[in-house]
Amino acid sequence: KAGVTQTPRYLIKTRGQQVTLSCSPISGHRSVSWYQQTPGQGLQFLFEYFSETQRNKGNFPGRFSGRQFSNSRSEMNVSTLELGDSALYLCASRWGTVGNYGYTFGSGTRLTVV
Amino acid sequence: QQQVKQSPQSLIVQKGGISIINCAYENTAFDYFPWYQQFPGKGPALLIAIRPDVSEKKEGRFTISFNKSAKQFSLHIMDSQPGDSATYFCAASTENTGNQFYFGTGTSLTVIP
Repeated sequence: KAGVTQTPRYLIKTRGQQVTLSCSPISGHRSVSWYQQTPGQGLQFLFEYFSETQRNKGNFPGRFSGRQFSNSRSEMNVSTLELGDSALYLCASRWGTVGNYGYTFGSGTRLTVV
Repeated sequence: QQQVKQSPQSLIVQKGGISIINCAYENTAFDYFPWYQQFPGKGPALLIAIRPDVSEKKEGRFTISFNKSAKQFSLHIMDSQPGDSATYFCAASTENTGNQFYFGTGTSLTVIP
């Protein structure tokens, strides 16, 4: 069974540009969450999607957005990139949104903003 | 505000020893407490998790101890091995927060042969 797949693995962008990251959840998983991981702030919640609807959003500026498609694949977009957006962006999936249990994470997309 | 506080930041243990990582939380609504293990270049992987209705859960060499009254939980790695060298994150969540996980800041564990 394939795990959570994130593409691309690495990205280098220039300040002011925008970027789109992609996530394919485990087959059958309908809930997708995104996290930002940095050495200083650790893992911070960006948003969660279930059935193409954003169910929860973390404390990030509006430059960070996302969406989920009917096949549960998800994308996140960051516009007007800043140096501080350099981070590992992690996507995680699980079967549903009801009930409290763990997510399966992908290996992440390493974004470097120069 | 850090909802989950984790210590120590780094830990060095001899092979065969016991590794102990501690976490504390404030929100009494949290009802799910997982531990994740992360190797360099990889995403976090769920290691073991506990709910507040039990005080201890053991899976192989990994044990979670949970103290509800103190709002603390800890991960014990028995017979630590060099392959256990990784970063460990505790986390907490509740359905009331829309399945958002609050992570600790991580502990870098090094097991020396």
